[in-house]
Amino acid sequence: DAKTTQPPSMDCAEGRAANLPCNHSTISGNEYVYWYRQIHSQGPQYIIHGLKNNETNEMASLIITEDRKSSTLILPHATLRDTAVYYCIVPLKGGGYQKVTFGTGTKLQVIP
Amino acid sequence: SAVISQKPSRDICQRGTSLTIQCQVDSQVTMMFWYRQQPGQSLTLIATANQGSEATYESGFVIDKFPISRPNLTFSTLTVSNMSPEDSSIYLCSVAGWWGGLSNTEAFFGQGTRLTVV
Repeated sequence: DAKTTQPPSMDCAEGRAANLPCNHSTISGNEYVYWYRQIHSQGPQYIIHGLKNNETNEMASLIITEDRKSSTLILPHATLRDTAVYYCIVPLKGGGYQKVTFGTGTKLQVIP
Repeated sequence: SAVISQKPSRDICQRGTSLTIQCQVDSQVTMMFWYRQQPGQSLTLIATANQGSEATYESGFVIDKFPISRPNLTFSTLTVSNMSPEDSSIYLCSVAGWWGGLSNTEAFFGQGTRLTVV
């Protein structure tokens, strides 16, 4: 399984873009990168995923390097409600299903 | 998408007793997962629950301590047995995402059961 490495914590000013990096240098060609977040005392919430192309949805953008060894999650205009732990995950693949294991993630603090 | 309901949302239990946590999904799913989140820590996978077969446990977790049932495609239970204060955690159930070809979906998580053992 591909291991991911994230900084333990980051701060971001409210209204600014939050850029959360992730290294996944052992990722294989058909493995996706997923991002989830966990707001305090809630269950994890899916944000976005991608394979090799950059992706954007209503929550965030995902930029994946050409060699796929790292990616960056971008929250374009961070709000206080974005304060959470963000997890970059490369799920293990079972018989058609994904097995999600969590690392320590990045604790993002959005500052007023 | 999948909506997951867990019961109870929280409980305070005496040491030596057992608690069964229920997880209900609003659609039929093949694979479910149970996680534990100890205070201040990340989520740790306990086991994988496939309908119609025995659960598969991760290293460090055993069936005697965390028996799991999966009677149908929308429901699962996790029992925390013979509890001690060290079992005080948040327990979460999850519905697996799928992969394959053009179909790569995300996992969904319940809001968790906050267990305190005294």
